[in-house]
Amino acid sequence: QQQVKQSPQSLIVQKGGISIINCAYENTAFDYFPWYQQFPGKGPALLIAIRPDVSEKKEGRFTISFNKSAKQFSLHIMDSQPGDSATYFCAALGAGKSTFGDGTTLTVKP
Amino acid sequence: EAQVTQNPRYLITVTGKKLTVTCSQNMNHEYMSWYRQDPGLGLRQIYYSMNVEVTDKGDVPEGYKVSRKEKRNFPLILESPSPNQTSLYFCASSFFTGGEKLFFGSGTQLSVL
Repeated sequence: QQQVKQSPQSLIVQKGGISIINCAYENTAFDYFPWYQQFPGKGPALLIAIRPDVSEKKEGRFTISFNKSAKQFSLHIMDSQPGDSATYFCAALGAGKSTFGDGTTLTVKP
Repeated sequence: EAQVTQNPRYLITVTGKKLTVTCSQNMNHEYMSWYRQDPGLGLRQIYYSMNVEVTDKGDVPEGYKVSRKEKRNFPLILESPSPNQTSLYFCASSFFTGGEKLFFGSGTQLSVL
């Protein structure tokens, strides 16, 4: 019952490049769409989040683009740095329920 | 320091031996939730609690129990663990319904032999 599909599974980007990760959801009852960053041995930490009444949100080098009609949202990391190398999860939350994507392993090469 | 604390960090047990993983938060959050993380499968929700004495099933509740007798604590109970419950478990909390920022614990790596 995969309700959030995330792609790609892995991504390699050069330092200074743009990293783009995409997610698609099915349940229109979701009303909060966060991206989490996870380093090995740590719990996920909120990176940035958006609600469906907004099409784009930017915080520093991180931007979420949200397309409500297509039920898709994406994370853009500008000027990617080696310290951004981590696993990224999209999620869709609503009414207590939360569904996560399978994760994207990002490697930023120096 | 605001945090979600899970214990133990690592646990090795045998099939059928009851165990409890504890979770405590010090942020006065209403909402708490348990997840399991398996390679390539992301995080899957096991149970969640919107408030004290209110719990509900997530996507993968089979083989697990929870209780929420106090606001700060939300233990995960495995009555009869099986090898397919070997996983990395995370507890999380948020202020209200879970439809906002989730704060995660550091995780509990469970191995059931």
